[in-house]
Amino acid sequence: GAGVSQTPSNKVTEKGKYVELRCDPISGHTALYWYRQSLGQGPEFLIYFQGTGAADDSGLPNDRFFAVRPEGSVSTLKIQRTERGDSAVYLCASSLMGLRTGGDIQYFGAGTRLSVL
Amino acid sequence: EDQVTQSPEALRLQEGESSSLNCSYTVSGLRGLFWYRQDPGKGPEFLFTLYSAGEEKEKERLKATLTKKESFLHITAPKPEDSATYLCAVQGRYSTLTFGKGTMLLVSP
Repeated sequence: GAGVSQTPSNKVTEKGKYVELRCDPISGHTALYWYRQSLGQGPEFLIYFQGTGAADDSGLPNDRFFAVRPEGSVSTLKIQRTERGDSAVYLCASSLMGLRTGGDIQYFGAGTRLSVL
Repeated sequence: EDQVTQSPEALRLQEGESSSLNCSYTVSGLRGLFWYRQDPGKGPEFLFTLYSAGEEKEKERLKATLTKKESFLHITAPKPEDSATYLCAVQGRYSTLTFGKGTMLLVSP
């Protein structure tokens, strides 16, 4: 497909477990973003990749959260020792140029709904 | 710190009843104001980008406008398929998007 793909679409886990969420961006997009969206809220920024490197990780809530993009395409968001408060929809977006270019449009995937029991 | 406030939180319209959604913002060095539409269970879908005060953009029944402090999304003669949550976001200098909480729009036949 031509859009941003996220897998799995739903993930149910137990408190304390480790989870990985995957994002496959639009082909050719150099920038990739992760957001978290809670019910009734707008998306909240977590981390931004320009190519393979994390250009801004200031939104990661703590050191249990980590993300990688080793080849500059697919990205994985990793959450260790999950807590019930981590339950949310995790959205991935990609854009052509990144934050160096003002107004660069971010295109979103459908998200992964994470439920921590 | 960039901030975005959207109002109202929810809006119910009859089909054909025009209205406007508001997005008030504070940002250091606006590089773009974005409107997205989000349907339940889906990711935000891009609608418009506005860059400077006075700018306007239109798409079908939607028209977005921008001033130095706020943006409006005008919906003319809405249809039930326009029902969704509308999100506003700003990009400041060297920063990523800051979103508002959105306005949930319901258009009844």
